[in-house]
Amino acid sequence: DTAVSQTPKYLVTQMGNDKSIKCEQNLGHDTMYWYKQDSKKFLKIMFSYNNKELIINETVPNRFSPKSPDKAHLNLHINSLELGDSAVYFCASSPYPDSTYEQYFGPGTRLTVT
Amino acid sequence: AQTVTQSQPEMSVQEAETVTLSCTYDTSESDYYLFWYKQPPSRQMILVIRQEAYKQQNATENRFSVNFQKAAKSFSLKISDSQLGDAAMYFCAMGYSGGGADGLTFGKGTHLIIQP
Repeated sequence: DTAVSQTPKYLVTQMGNDKSIKCEQNLGHDTMYWYKQDSKKFLKIMFSYNNKELIINETVPNRFSPKSPDKAHLNLHINSLELGDSAVYFCASSPYPDSTYEQYFGPGTRLTVT
Repeated sequence: AQTVTQSQPEMSVQEAETVTLSCTYDTSESDYYLFWYKQPPSRQMILVIRQEAYKQQNATENRFSVNFQKAAKSFSLKISDSQLGDAAMYFCAMGYSGGGADGLTFGKGTHLIIQP
C-alpha cells in the first residue's frame, strides 16, 4: 500500500492556467505538508495542515491555496500559473504532534509551465 | 530562524569504500531532530536516518551512521561499504519539537556518485 500518494506525477500546462495536485495519505497522520523543490533541488516548505487547520503559510503567492477536505487529503490549487512555478511539488505527512516528527513524502509532481 | 548547511555539492567514492557527508546547522531551539533523506533519480524522498538532539548516542541504521556533535552543531552521515544503489542526492534536514507543524528545514543537498 502506498503511504503518501500524489496525482498527477507529471503536469504540463500553459501560463495563465489553473491546476490542482491531489495528495492522499493512509498513515493516519494528523499533519500534512506541501514542499516545493526548485531546479537546483532546494526543498522549501510551503504549507502545513494540522487537523484541517492551516498552521503555517510561508511567503508563497496567494495564487497557491491548499485545500483539505479531510484529514487524509491535502490538495494544492494553483491559479494563473507562471513560468516560475515550474518545479517538483512534494506532499508529505507527519505524525506530529506525536512521535519524532519525521516526514513521509509522496512521489512528487513535476509541474512544467510553458 | 533555523538554517542547515551542506558544504559539499558533490562527492564521489569508489564502490565498497566509506564516505562521509557533512552537515552543519544553526538553531536557537534546545529540543530538535535531525534527519538525512536520500533522493535517488526516481525523486522519491527516502528517510535514511534520524537523530534526536537529546540523545548523545549516535544513530545507526545498517551501513549508515551519523556523527552528531551537538556543541559544534554538526551532523555528518557516514556510509560504509558504499553500493551502487547509494548513488543519489542526500539532504540533511532539521525539525524541532513543538514545531512539527512548521515542517522541516533542508540543506541544499549533496550529490553522491558511486564509482564502480
